[in-house]
Amino acid sequence: DAKTTQPPSMDCAEGRAANLPCNHSTISGNEYVYWYRQIHSQGPQYIIHGLKNNETNEMASLIITEDRKSSTLILPHATLRDTAVYYCIVRERGSQGNLIFGKGTKLSVKP
Amino acid sequence: SAVISQKPSRDICQRGTSLTIQCQVDSQVTMMFWYRQQPGQSLTLIATANQGSEATYESGFVIDKFPISRPNLTFSTLTVSNMSPEDSSIYLCSVGPGGAGNTEAFFGQGTRLTVV
Repeated sequence: DAKTTQPPSMDCAEGRAANLPCNHSTISGNEYVYWYRQIHSQGPQYIIHGLKNNETNEMASLIITEDRKSSTLILPHATLRDTAVYYCIVRERGSQGNLIFGKGTKLSVKP
Repeated sequence: SAVISQKPSRDICQRGTSLTIQCQVDSQVTMMFWYRQQPGQSLTLIATANQGSEATYESGFVIDKFPISRPNLTFSTLTVSNMSPEDSSIYLCSVGPGGAGNTEAFFGQGTRLTVV
């Protein structure tokens, strides 16, 4: 079973920041938080991952709370092309094996 | 990174027939994964395919229904056998994450199967 919980859907205005929350209260010390997204009719795409420090790349920022029990993915300036299902996944970094997907959050970016 | 080519991208099949989906990776990988995504649902793992050994199936999936081949480190096939409308789904192959320095998984574009 997935070890994360996410809201089923969210809306965001184009050009605004999209903040997607994720709860992972049972995360263990050696588990990372990964974010993937799936745009309609495509395979999932990696976005970002982190352990305990905030992370930023060209796609997004990841804010992890100090107790690591929750995190927020931030898309700073959402565009219509960011409309997708966003999945938050926890797993040990470097471990082999499949990803376990929860239900994710359906983000709708509206003009 | 890894580039995955999956064929066919979509198909419409008659019930009772079988469809074989191909997955080609541009680099050698130990483990490949096959997922099913039913309409409006998340991804569910069908099986893990290791080169040189039998695939490992998840609960609810059996080899007779979803036979898998893994002839080398860059290729795998998934067959959906004796199809029924309930098999209408998107089927995806994936590699990674795994191993030092490889932190992300890569997915094919999926095969959208409709059984009529």
